[in-house]
Parts: sequence; C-alpha cells; structure tokens
Amino acid sequence: EDKVVQSPLSLVVHEGDTVTLNCSYEVTNFRSLLWYKQEKKAPTFLFMLTSSGIEKKSGRLSSILDKKELFSILNITATQTGDSAIYLCAVGIAETSGSRLTFGEGTQLTVNP
Amino acid sequence: NAGVTQTPKFRVLKTGQSMTLLCAQDMNHEYMYWYRQDPGMGLRLIHYSVGEGTTAKGEVPDGYNVSRLKKQNFLLGLESAAPSQTSVYFCASSPRTGLKQYFGPGTRLTVT
Repeated sequence: EDKVVQSPLSLVVHEGDTVTLNCSYEVTNFRSLLWYKQEKKAPTFLFMLTSSGIEKKSGRLSSILDKKELFSILNITATQTGDSAIYLCAVGIAETSGSRLTFGEGTQLTVNP
Repeated sequence: NAGVTQTPKFRVLKTGQSMTLLCAQDMNHEYMYWYRQDPGMGLRLIHYSVGEGTTAKGEVPDGYNVSRLKKQNFLLGLESAAPSQTSVYFCASSPRTGLKQYFGPGTRLTVT
C-alpha cells in the first residue's frame, strides 16, 4: 500500500523563525514529489521534485528530495504570518490506468506575530 | 480563464438523499480527479479520469459514482448520502504530460 507520512502534524512558531517540514514515503512506481500550500480553500502548487539532491527555491521557501532515503523536506526561512497554512506533501505515482497523487496528512503551520 | 470551478460551494443533505457535484475546467486538461478532505487525513482520492469516457477508482470509491461525458466536465454522484460522507470535496485537473494538479475551490457537504 502506498504511504506518505508528514511530520510534524502541527507546528507553532514566531515570525522570523525558520521551519523544516518533513515528508517520507513508501510507494511503488515513484514519479515525482510535490508540495502544496493550503490556506482557506484550494491547495496551491509550490514545488515539484523529480531528482535527488537538486534544491528547488522560491523566495524564502526551498525544498529538496532524497530518493535513496525516500524523503523530502520543505524549508521556510524568516517566517511571516502569511505563511500560516496547511502544507501538503504528495507523491506522484504511475499506474497503467494513468498517473495519480497520494497525499500525506499535512502539516498545520501557525506563525504568530 | 477560470481554471477549475466547482458547483455548488455548499450543500446540506439528509441521509438517503442523492446529489451530483459538478467540476469544470477550461485548461483543456486530459486528467481530472475527485478528492475528499477530512480533518487530519489530508486529501484522499475518490475517483479519477484520464480522458473523456474513462474513469478509474481511487483510494475511497465506495458510495460514489463518476462520469466524464465531456473532456471539460467531471461529475461526482452520491446515490444515497450517509453522514460518513460529510466532508470537503475538491476537484482537480492536470495535463497528460505532468503530475502538477490544479485544484478547484471545494464543495462543503454536510449529511445529517
């Protein structure tokens, strides 16, 4: 059974702190790993990683994938209250009937002023 | 360009009633998906479709049916709603070449 596990499940920090969110996985037919941010409504795309060791960056957010150890981390530096959200990790899986994503439970991040 | 839209935004049903949720996308995407999201459980895939006229089961398909008669629309049906189907339902779409999915705004369904 495909499995994606995120940790911690929730995290409360102060503005300016740096946070690291973790995602480990056990799946068959891995294609890619994706991070999404979910505020009030729909998840919005952050990163997609397909190769080990290549860091993806977007402003204060960065992510890296380790395909040998089967995990990814999402780093957020100098956090702001606007970073408060649920962060979802998803693994892309190839199947004969098409590709699909399996999601972790999410990490609820709260950034206090 | 509206992206992915969902109708309705909110709905309250009584146990045993039926309803259909509509998802529409204007990005010409091949793949479409239906998820449910419950507290502490992330997004779980109900059904998905890799093209017009085709559907496949996801992780939690029981109690739901889907149809993809047109490429831009994906319908999710509940034939006899149960309280366990109280959830937020998200639709998503993606192009055939990639896994990046674009999500709709969600439908909050309550079954009493």
